[in-house]
Amino acid sequence: RKEVEQDPGPFNVPEGATVAFNCTYSNSASQSFFWYRQDCRKEPKLLMSVYSSGNEDGRFTAQLNRASQYISLLIRDSKLSDSATYLCVVIMGTYKYIFGTGTRLKVLA
Amino acid sequence: DAGITQSPRHKVTETGTPVTLRCHQTENHRYMYWYRQDPGHGLRLIHYSYGVKDTDKGEVSDGYSVSRSKTEDFLLTLESATSSQTSVYFCATRAGQNNSPLHFGNGTRLTVT
Repeated sequence: RKEVEQDPGPFNVPEGATVAFNCTYSNSASQSFFWYRQDCRKEPKLLMSVYSSGNEDGRFTAQLNRASQYISLLIRDSKLSDSATYLCVVIMGTYKYIFGTGTRLKVLA
Repeated sequence: DAGITQSPRHKVTETGTPVTLRCHQTENHRYMYWYRQDPGHGLRLIHYSYGVKDTDKGEVSDGYSVSRSKTEDFLLTLESATSSQTSVYFCATRAGQNNSPLHFGNGTRLTVT
């Protein structure tokens, strides 16, 4: 079993839709979590951290479920510009950042 | 972002030749990382550094070496390039606090023919 798993998609959604992605992790000792966004042929960019109590940044909401060992990302009112690959990242230990393979999102006009 | 520059941006080289990729940062971050990204595998850690002259191996370190002689520069060397090392290479840095996020350079696309 992979340490971090994501549904590769693609998720094709119309503009204005709400879409959610999950990311599961295998090590219960995992400490911190992030969502990154990666556009085609570009570097990953930090979208948001994921806090235990859940957190929101504009149209984006991140949640952590430690009991079931997954994190989620909810995007409301999808824009064309949200089309990208979304990577979840799990930190284990001091240096070990484990990346999921990413979920592709396509927002359709 | 964290002022991370990778060079070269693109390189084509032949099997068996040595190749060095450079990562330069201006943020005085303690930790630096080299990842490769391949379809179906996501980002995989090659080597990382936790200070000047302090480095350690990641999960896919075979065939690669690194050096960090000053805080701002982290070099990745492919001793004798192979076609399996064709990939996109990303450098990342982070501040010293535990659990801080990584910031990435804009990548080097390497093709080994």
